[in-house]
Amino acid sequence: DIQMTQSPPSLSASVGDRVTITCRASQGISIWLAWYQQKPEKAPKSLIYAATSLQSGVPSRFSGSISGTDFTLTISNLQPEDFATYFCQQYNSFPRTFGQGTKLEIK
Amino acid sequence: EVQLLESGGNLVQPGGSLRLSCAASGFTFSIYNMTWVRQAPRKGLEWVSGITGRGENLDYTDSVKGRFTISRDNSKNSLYLQMNSLRAEDTAVYYCARDWNGLDYWGPGTPVTVSS
Repeated sequence: DIQMTQSPPSLSASVGDRVTITCRASQGISIWLAWYQQKPEKAPKSLIYAATSLQSGVPSRFSGSISGTDFTLTISNLQPEDFATYFCQQYNSFPRTFGQGTKLEIK
Repeated sequence: EVQLLESGGNLVQPGGSLRLSCAASGFTFSIYNMTWVRQAPRKGLEWVSGITGRGENLDYTDSVKGRFTISRDNSKNSLYLQMNSLRAEDTAVYYCARDWNGLDYWGPGTPVTVSS
């Protein structure tokens, strides 16, 4: 199975800040990585697919990048509604696997 | 508008069975692969099972192989997860999701509690 190592597990930031969250795949997954946002007691929401493509309706302050087997989610100009937990997921092969999550909290 | 709605979650004793359903609307259900994902209390997301559009290919995470069965009825726009021999560690909220560009749409989830 492909292991997804996500870091950091938690992050404190302020409104207006720029933050980055990273996922590393244990083997090559090409571009087949997605990012999700989850708020308490809610279902996850898809943000980015194919490593860098924004889902429809997602604000442009969210962006994804890729460097080899390292994937990064960047949130620029943090807004109050962005404080949530973020997960990555590889969908290159079965079983699909998720990162452990990053909880983004208000400083 | 794409909508997914899970049902069937409940409290069940260890060793028991449950059948989860996911009703889909707002898209051509039969051409999309579908997925079940679960989330144990205060834990991360775990991919459980996936099925192709016509139901010809199925996949499962190792911990549920031989106990869970995914299926679909395209005439009813519905996805199912038959869960047998349930264990305490199967306690989670179960989500169905459409498998397109990652998992682009999710239902609100249905809770399953395995406890005596």
